[in-house]
Amino acid sequence: QSALTQPASVSASPGQSITISCTGTSNNVGNYNLVSWYQQHPVKAPKLIIYEDTKRPSGVSNRFSGSKSGTTASLTISGLQAEDEADYYCCSYEGSGTLVFGGGTKVTVL
Amino acid sequence: QVQLQESGPGLVKASETLSLTCSVSGGSISSYYWSWIRQPPGKALEWIGYVHDAGSTKYNSSLYSRVTISLDTSKKQFSLRLSSVTAADTAVYYCARSRELRDFDYWGQGTLVTVSS
Repeated sequence: QSALTQPASVSASPGQSITISCTGTSNNVGNYNLVSWYQQHPVKAPKLIIYEDTKRPSGVSNRFSGSKSGTTASLTISGLQAEDEADYYCCSYEGSGTLVFGGGTKVTVL
Repeated sequence: QVQLQESGPGLVKASETLSLTCSVSGGSISSYYWSWIRQPPGKALEWIGYVHDAGSTKYNSSLYSRVTISLDTSKKQFSLRLSSVTAADTAVYYCARSRELRDFDYWGQGTLVTVSS
């Protein structure tokens, strides 16, 4: 079980859009529509923002969207706001019946 | 509203066994996967393992030999035992609910466990 690969950090100005990538393998991201994304503010528990690659839970802003191509999933945040400054993690189901997280991406709003 | 709450010692001695319990309220414990996830200070989330109400378990291969996760449906609780701990096991431990292994939709607030030498 190797962690999914995410960029360590992404930054942008308010109002701009950013995309965070999450690269896995054909044993996880590439073979199942089961990538989820989590937002984590400091000293808080993670919050689910995207599930099944592209679906958004009720109550989550439509500024968050998910997509996937091959073995890389992506999270896009449009119209970046100060409150979006947080750590973001992807997670995928694996063929062995296990789950694996990405290394996390720190988003900074300039 | 589903709520999860971790409980257990915040300090464990090296080589001993870490034990935590997660209490579930506001919803059924049946038909879900119940996971433990940890986060060392300043580091990424790491999935530890899950238990399903049907009795099945699955663990992270890197922790497999030291981990046991169990479920007590009558008490609406599930537990984590991690044996032979070292300083590398110091982390915030979260319990979480999983819907058919597709996501973690509810999380506990997390509890910091420090391993002392």
